[in-house]
Amino acid sequence: DTGVSQNPRHKITKRGQNVTFRCDPISEHNRLYWYRQTLGQGPEFLTYFQNEAQLEKSRLLSDRFSAERPKGSFSTLEIQRTEQGDSAMYLCASSEGGAYNEQFFGPGTRLTVL
Amino acid sequence: RKEVEQDPGPFNVPEGATVAFNCTYSNSASQSFFWYRQDCRKEPKLLMSVYSSGNEDGRFTAQLNRASQYISLLIRDSKLSDSATYLCVVPSGSARQLTFGSGTQLTVLP
Repeated sequence: DTGVSQNPRHKITKRGQNVTFRCDPISEHNRLYWYRQTLGQGPEFLTYFQNEAQLEKSRLLSDRFSAERPKGSFSTLEIQRTEQGDSAMYLCASSEGGAYNEQFFGPGTRLTVL
Repeated sequence: RKEVEQDPGPFNVPEGATVAFNCTYSNSASQSFFWYRQDCRKEPKLLMSVYSSGNEDGRFTAQLNRASQYISLLIRDSKLSDSATYLCVVPSGSARQLTFGSGTQLTVLP
């Protein structure tokens, strides 16, 4: 399968714990995005990497959230001191460079904070 | 005003029906637009791109009205497999991040 993969697919944690998600983009894609989706809403942009550089961060990305893409390949999204409001689907997408290239989404990581 | 607004739905239509979804966007400088499809508990997938006045792909037609900042998606001869949530999407920012509407849920009934 050469699509975007994400791990884990599901994560249940207790409030206050730290969690980390991983995204493996399509191999030739240099752009990587993280989005968050809650029930009944469309995905909301969190952050963007071009190669290893994090170039955009949404206001939604509080200081408890940190993302990395150390070698310009896979990316991790860490949430520290999780809160119940962090419960959502976290989606990763990748695309080639260029203004109109399609973003391909991974299956997402569903986070439940108890 | 939200950046991208869609019909709230849900739409329940019989097989074979024609159904249309509407979407308005707030940024008049937007140049390209997308319709994504999302099945229940699955990731969004690109359905159609709209760069000029419209685009047609089989039973699906997307139209763009820049003056009214309005995009529509028309589905003809609905199939059971068309049941999904349809998301209106506008790229924005230097990163071309996607701004999604809240989605319109379609159920095609036998």
